Amino acid sequence: NAGVTQTPKFRVLKTGQSMTLLCAQDMNHEYMYWYRQDPGMGLRLIHYSVGEGTTAKGEVPDGYNVSRLKKQNFLLGLESAAPSQTSVYFCASRGAARGYTFGSGTRLTVV
Amino acid sequence: AQTVTQSQPEMSVQEAETVTLSCTYDTSESDYYLFWYKQPPSRQMILVIRQEAYKQQNATENRFSVNFQKAAKSFSLKISDSQLGDAAMYFCACPSIQGAQKLVFGQGTRLTINP
Repeated sequence: NAGVTQTPKFRVLKTGQSMTLLCAQDMNHEYMYWYRQDPGMGLRLIHYSVGEGTTAKGEVPDGYNVSRLKKQNFLLGLESAAPSQTSVYFCASRGAARGYTFGSGTRLTVV
Repeated sequence: AQTVTQSQPEMSVQEAETVTLSCTYDTSESDYYLFWYKQPPSRQMILVIRQEAYKQQNATENRFSVNFQKAAKSFSLKISDSQLGDAAMYFCACPSIQGAQKLVFGQGTRLTINP
């Protein structure tokens, strides 16, 4: 089915470890976004991309890096994980009709 | 900065009754969309309803409808004939001005359906 796929769905990291979250969409969308969701705070934007090869900072970018080498993929990296990065991460993409499609989320725990 | 406010952290309603969830937003745009998303325990973000700001008519999707007051910047969601499957977190969202149209979310309202 067409949509946004996030991998992995769950991950436990030790403080200081690194990891990359992958977001893949097959709808040929230009815009892609990474959000984090913490209890009681809704979704907050980490980074976003308006097209292949472009990235920009969102509301809470510190401690994260992103890359958009291919139009269909948007990678979110944590270079040195911290307990404060324990959260649920969502990827989303947006098409021309202003419709947003979300992935199913990644639950990350940093111990 | 653009803000979206949901003033009701939790709401509950009896099955088959009607409930209204509130949302206010702040934007300087004249043409924009507003969204309500449902997030069940599965975590999936599900689009419930979308309103185009330039349309006077309130959007309706089956049992879900909105009361859109553009001048007041208010965008409430009404759920009629509530069902057990409606229990979830509900988020109001508004795209940021211009550029990448980044969605700005409210804090969410947890809706409980009492049988």
